[in-house]
Amino acid sequence: AQSVTQPDIHITVSEGASLELRCNYSYGATPYLFWYVQSPGQGLQLLLKYFSGDTLVQGIKGFEAEFKRSQSSFNLRKPSVHWSDAAEYFCAVGADGNEKLTFGTGTRLTIIP
Amino acid sequence: KAGVTQTPRYLIKTRGQQVTLSCSPISGHRSVSWYQQTPGQGLQFLFEYFSETQRNKGNFPGRFSGRQFSNSRSEMNVSTLELGDSALYLCASSLSRGPRDGAFFGQGTRLTVV
Repeated sequence: AQSVTQPDIHITVSEGASLELRCNYSYGATPYLFWYVQSPGQGLQLLLKYFSGDTLVQGIKGFEAEFKRSQSSFNLRKPSVHWSDAAEYFCAVGADGNEKLTFGTGTRLTIIP
Repeated sequence: KAGVTQTPRYLIKTRGQQVTLSCSPISGHRSVSWYQQTPGQGLQFLFEYFSETQRNKGNFPGRFSGRQFSNSRSEMNVSTLELGDSALYLCASSLSRGPRDGAFFGQGTRLTVV
């Protein structure tokens, strides 16, 4: 069975500082990996996805993520955060032929001036 | 292109009632999945519909059901509501089956059971 772990429940970062959100997955084959962002009271917005090819994936809003098979990780990064990045971030894993996504518990990001 | 549309946005129902939620996928998308989001359990997969057929189902009781129409629009129904059914229900649409194309979510329906 597939699973996702986001070890950080809450992260606080200063505006303009760099950001890294951690995600570890468990899946037997090559996974499909995703990062989503959710603002309060809103749905999920897809930031980026990975399923093959270059292990460094570029997404929207200046985010990127790196797939490391040896560490079973898919960490999300941004070089300089903006106050509007404050939200909850979810990592998810999917499997070929199956629409079900398994989500991590999320990391809430707070931005301080 | 319009995104995924879920109606209504908010619902308040009484324990024991039933409720129907609606989801219109992105135009051309044929797969619709439903998720329940609660503070305690997080995001949990309910079911997936493709070509009007349920293809996959999560670990939820039979009170939770759904259907998909020929235009790919989907509805989910919860009967005999319980307090624990209070949640944000999210619908996601995909171009085809499988995660390769990515799933695009609506804004959700906030259901409160009192």
